[in-house]
Amino acid sequence: NAGVTQTPKFQVLKTGQSMTLQCAQDMNHNSMYWYRQDPGMGLRLIYYSASEGTTDKGEVPNGYNVSRLNKREFSLRLESAAPSQTSVYFCASSRDRGLPMNTEAFFGQGTRLTVV
Amino acid sequence: DAKTTQPPSMDCAEGRAANLPCNHSTISGNEYVYWYRQIHSQGPQYIIHGLKNNETNEMASLIITEDRKSSTLILPHATLRDTAVYYCIVRAINTGTASKLTFGTGTRLQVTL
Repeated sequence: NAGVTQTPKFQVLKTGQSMTLQCAQDMNHNSMYWYRQDPGMGLRLIYYSASEGTTDKGEVPNGYNVSRLNKREFSLRLESAAPSQTSVYFCASSRDRGLPMNTEAFFGQGTRLTVV
Repeated sequence: DAKTTQPPSMDCAEGRAANLPCNHSTISGNEYVYWYRQIHSQGPQYIIHGLKNNETNEMASLIITEDRKSSTLILPHATLRDTAVYYCIVRAINTGTASKLTFGTGTRLQVTL
């Protein structure tokens, strides 16, 4: 059982380049999330998807777009990377429906992105 | 969601109990207390959560005060592998909505020999 899988694990981009971070979960979870974590800080929510076909902004959405491709996959796109987007990006998922209510979130291992 | 306050760092000797406090004085009646930990920049890992009763699982115990304004996460026999940043998060559980988590800076627990 892989849980939440993120690709790539590491990436270096030049300013202005674009890229897509991929995330997939195999737990049949309804909700998926993208967070970023800067050095010495807690995680901050970028975007989330409460169900297939829906996406919503989190705390820090500027400079990012997301796609909930299907129930399993939730991608994060940087259209024009900036040095301020250098961070570790975490994808997460949670069930959020059904009984007993289970809102435990499972996280991937992160993508370490450097923008130079 | 209610804000939480945690000490920035704590030390604990291996084999001893680690007691990590969290203040959440503005918690609402429908908000739960969650604990996650993050080991060396890995993805956060769920530990435990509770509403008002004390909870225990294979990883830890959660003690919530009667007025629910504070809680304590207890790792009964800390090991070196418990060295991590521990996050206390307070949030409501709403049926059918996403479980967004608001992370603070947490408590860095250092377990030593």
